Amino acid sequence: QVQLQESGPGLVKPLQTLSLTCNVSGDSITSGPYYWTWIRQSAGKGLEWIGRTLITGSTNYNPSLRSRLTISVDTSKNQFSLKLRSVTASDTAVYYCARTLYDIMTGYGLGDDNWGHGTLVTVSS
Amino acid sequence: ETVLTQSPGTLSLSPGERATLSCRASQSVNSAHLAWYQQRPGQAPRLLIYSTSSRASGIPDRFSGSGSGTDFTLTISRLEPEDFAVYYCQQYGSPPPWTFGQGTKVEMK
Repeated sequence: QVQLQESGPGLVKPLQTLSLTCNVSGDSITSGPYYWTWIRQSAGKGLEWIGRTLITGSTNYNPSLRSRLTISVDTSKNQFSLKLRSVTASDTAVYYCARTLYDIMTGYGLGDDNWGHGTLVTVSS
Repeated sequence: ETVLTQSPGTLSLSPGERATLSCRASQSVNSAHLAWYQQRPGQAPRLLIYSTSSRASGIPDRFSGSGSGTDFTLTISRLEPEDFAVYYCQQYGSPPPWTFGQGTKVEMK
């Protein structure tokens, strides 16, 4: 049974970089076909899709975050990561990592079948 | 960006009753790329339905999904106590972003 676990600081100062890692256990991150995805949830915005990566390192980002965002994967450590630069209070949220099934013919997603428990990140000085 | 609008915002029902939740898209969504999630308080969302009508692993058959184009529905045939939660739809169309609806809360009457 695959498990995902987010880790990283719970408090980040404004204008600094939010860095989170998702550790995947119980299966290789190279098994597939899966995207490895970040999603966040705040009271004001509900669930927001942040972006995804393949094990090749190919990524897609939410256009609203693209200029500040980097998602990367480290297959040797069975984990993937998120870096969000120049954060503000509006980036305060619970951040989830998830595994996304996708259609190998089209590349379109089908569903996020495994999620981490989520980690609360607060942006405050 | 495809906007998903869920209705109603809150559904007040009793155990044993039928729940019908709606998800309307601002543009047509391929039915293969529409999913439903359940979120209980303090937990991550859980995949219920993918590709509009396919139940995810371990999901009881009282949950069913239907729809096409811009209108999709999640039905819970007979509510169990553990079904009182918030439900979200999500579309996985191209190009990203893959957007979520704002959620429907199913609360006990």
